[in-house]
Amino acid sequence: QSVLTQPPSASGTPGQRVTISCSGSSSNIGVNYVYWYQQLPGTAPKLLIYRNNQRPSGVPDRFSGSKSGTSASLAISGLRSEDEADYYCAAWDDSLSGVFGGGTKLTVL
Amino acid sequence: EVQLVESGGGLVQPGRSLRLSCAASGFAFDDYAMHWVRQTPGKGLEWVSGISWNGGTTLYAVSVRGRFTISRDDAKNSLYLQMNGLRAEDTALYYCAKDILSGGGGSDLSFDYWGQGVLVTVSS
Repeated sequence: QSVLTQPPSASGTPGQRVTISCSGSSSNIGVNYVYWYQQLPGTAPKLLIYRNNQRPSGVPDRFSGSKSGTSASLAISGLRSEDEADYYCAAWDDSLSGVFGGGTKLTVL
Repeated sequence: EVQLVESGGGLVQPGRSLRLSCAASGFAFDDYAMHWVRQTPGKGLEWVSGISWNGGTTLYAVSVRGRFTISRDDAKNSLYLQMNGLRAEDTALYYCAKDILSGGGGSDLSFDYWGQGVLVTVSS
């Protein structure tokens, strides 16, 4: 059971906009930054969003992050087949530990 | 080119110890906080431990607190994870990861570079 809650799966068609949610609490998302990672099969995770809504160099602006209260969302616009992957949210928790969500498997139909 | 290369994994019996290493290159290692993150095969990610850029702050997941120790040797551009009292539930692929921002205290979870991972299997 992960501290941060994500839907196990999501799907969309090419060109569509999809969002993935991440629910936490007042000890993590409510008071700390949220991060988002993409993991393709057999590879290490890739940072998509850091500090709620910042994109690292090289990440397309099709990916965006937002936070409200104790929840956060990752939005992917102009969905592409190569976006099919597992997505994880993460946040610092005031128990002095980092926590990840359980991951969401995105399928491009 | 930034490279992180983990080593030291393997099969170990419950209760025994193992020391993981991560050799870093291609960036100013002593400017960045570093972390260990693990992933159980077919499952999700779990942050394990982080160390600040100057080694002054070390942080641990509740599940490993008191058993694992993170350290760094800036002269060798290396990160370590000493794992004692290993349990079956510690079986995972362990990744070394670098902070995207310099001067971090170890509690920022923005990892822009990851190693390829090293497998630790705890079993009798």
